[in-house]
Amino acid sequence: NAGVMQNPRHLVRRRGQEARLRCSPMKGHSHVYWYRQLPEEGLKFMVYLQKENIIDESGMPKERFSAEFPKEGPSILRIQQVVRGDSAAYFCASSHPYNEQFFGPGTRLTVL
Amino acid sequence: GENVEQHPSTLSVQEGDSAVIKCTYSDSASNYFPWYKQELGKRPQLIIDIRSNVGEKKDQRIAVTLNKTAKHFSLHITETQPEDSAVYFCAATGTASKLTFGTGTRLQVTL
Repeated sequence: NAGVMQNPRHLVRRRGQEARLRCSPMKGHSHVYWYRQLPEEGLKFMVYLQKENIIDESGMPKERFSAEFPKEGPSILRIQQVVRGDSAAYFCASSHPYNEQFFGPGTRLTVL
Repeated sequence: GENVEQHPSTLSVQEGDSAVIKCTYSDSASNYFPWYKQELGKRPQLIIDIRSNVGEKKDQRIAVTLNKTAKHFSLHITETQPEDSAVYFCAATGTASKLTFGTGTRLQVTL
């Protein structure tokens, strides 16, 4: 019974490049959430998606960040033109509706 | 929106002692309060949760209490062990489903 999967686990990008982070939810889960964790800080909500729908993107920066959860395949968090301040751990979580959220292992993004 | 405050930021206890971490929330509509444990470099792991129709919940050495009137909830760990050392996060959510996290408590259990 695989848990939430994320890849890559580590990603290094130079300033100005694009970063694509992938998340496969637990089997049977239809809700995906993305959170960002800066070093030595807590987790901050970014976006909440269901299949083919963005439900809540109130935590997403207005520019350069986008997310999708297509009908087939993993959820993707995309960061365009990365800057040093984007360096963080990005966690996704999945759940049944209104139930416990289970987290993936995270993608640690480093921007050089 | 919801705001969650968590105290203390660091907590050091001796093995076998109890540890208590406290959180307050601002949105009276919040009705679900999970606690996560995060070891260094690892994912947050759900250790216990409580819903607003319950005042207390216990799972072996871990218990959580909720006071809806005062809008605060607490995590209690009894008979602490070295493997309890980690960062603990409280969180709150309502119908919006997104979790609002506290700032974390670094618990160190010393021998």
